[in-house]
Amino acid sequence: DSGVTQTPKHLITATGQRVTLRCSPRSGDLSVYWYQQSLDQGLQFLIQYYNGEERAKGNILERFSAQQFPDLHSELNLSSLELGDSALYFCASSVSLRDQETQYFGPGTRLLVL
Amino acid sequence: AQTVTQSQPEMSVQEAETVTLSCTYDTSESDYYLFWYKQPPSRQMILVIRQEAYKQQNATENRFSVNFQKAAKSFSLKISDSQLGDAAMYFCAYRTSGSRLTFGEGTQLTVNP
Repeated sequence: DSGVTQTPKHLITATGQRVTLRCSPRSGDLSVYWYQQSLDQGLQFLIQYYNGEERAKGNILERFSAQQFPDLHSELNLSSLELGDSALYFCASSVSLRDQETQYFGPGTRLLVL
Repeated sequence: AQTVTQSQPEMSVQEAETVTLSCTYDTSESDYYLFWYKQPPSRQMILVIRQEAYKQQNATENRFSVNFQKAAKSFSLKISDSQLGDAAMYFCAYRTSGSRLTFGEGTQLTVNP
């Protein structure tokens, strides 16, 4: 158990819908990262937050957004869902921004868009 | 942009034997970190080992060790005394300032009893 929690574990929804994925980082970790793992794109970085502020953006679609709240939990919002958004979404956390800090991954949320 | 390449989509090893997974990367940075993560069938991402680029000594964690060749931009993972529980997808990852991880395509390791 990494100490990072993600809810829900599984999510099945229809095209055009909107969903919210939730992540609670390890106690004391200020930085949160979101990654997407799909069959055709592999593991891709989406977005990073540090202590409530957006720090870096990767290949995140405009239909997707995220935020980190004062209690440091983070939410990833996916809207106007398409079949291709079906993937495993991971949240990871680390203590700080220092490169040597290990990123610990949550168990992931498996999203299926029908 | 940094890229990470794992040229072996699949590998297999006999239980108790040794296997080496390959990884190469491309970067213009001099200071960075390299990681191997394991993803078993549960899909959980588990850190196996980490290497700091400024360290010449190869990292070791029990049965797992790396061969880090900075000039060649190569970072291979050696698993000794392979166990059935080692069967998983293994991802090589790179990290520099900005802190995002860039992953390779993964190598699916099968351990045969």
